Amino acid sequence: KAGVTQTPRYLIKTRGQQVTLSCSPISGHRSVSWYQQTPGQGLQFLFEYFSETQRNKGNFPGRFSGRQFSNSRSEMNVSTLELGDSALYLCASSFVGVGNTIYFGEGSWLTVV
Amino acid sequence: QQQVKQSPQSLIVQKGGISIINCAYENTAFDYFPWYQQFPGKGPALLIAIRPDVSEKKEGRFTISFNKSAKQFSLHIMDSQPGDSATYFCAAPSGETSGSRLTFGEGTQLTVNP
Repeated sequence: KAGVTQTPRYLIKTRGQQVTLSCSPISGHRSVSWYQQTPGQGLQFLFEYFSETQRNKGNFPGRFSGRQFSNSRSEMNVSTLELGDSALYLCASSFVGVGNTIYFGEGSWLTVV
Repeated sequence: QQQVKQSPQSLIVQKGGISIINCAYENTAFDYFPWYQQFPGKGPALLIAIRPDVSEKKEGRFTISFNKSAKQFSLHIMDSQPGDSATYFCAAPSGETSGSRLTFGEGTQLTVNP
């Protein structure tokens, strides 16, 4: 069974640009969540989607947005990039949600210059 | 808002020794506490998780101990091996509704010397 797949793995963007990251969950998983990982802040929850609806949202500015498609694949978008957005962005999927095993992808490394 | 305190930040253990990492949480509406292991350049991988209908869960060399009244849980790695050298994160559910929202501890960087 394929794991959580994230693309692209690495990318470099310039301040002010926007970026879209993609995530394909494990087959059959309907919950997709996104996390930001930085050395200073650790792993922080961005948002979670279930059946194409945002079910939970973390404390990030509105520049961070996401969506989920009918096939459970998800994308997250960051607009007007700032240097502080440089991070590893992790997608995780689970069958239902908390209480069910949550699996992470390898992440997308974003560098903003 | 849920907070999870993890200690120690770093841990150095000799091969064959026991590694112990502790976590404390504030509140949770759901009883599910996972531990993740992360190697450099990789995403976190689920190591072991506990649902507190039991106070301890063991999988191979890894054991979670859970103390619900104290709101604490810990990871014990028996017979630690150099291949266990990684960063370990504990997590607890946060939020009042169901969902995959986890609050993570700050992480513990474990080094197992050969």
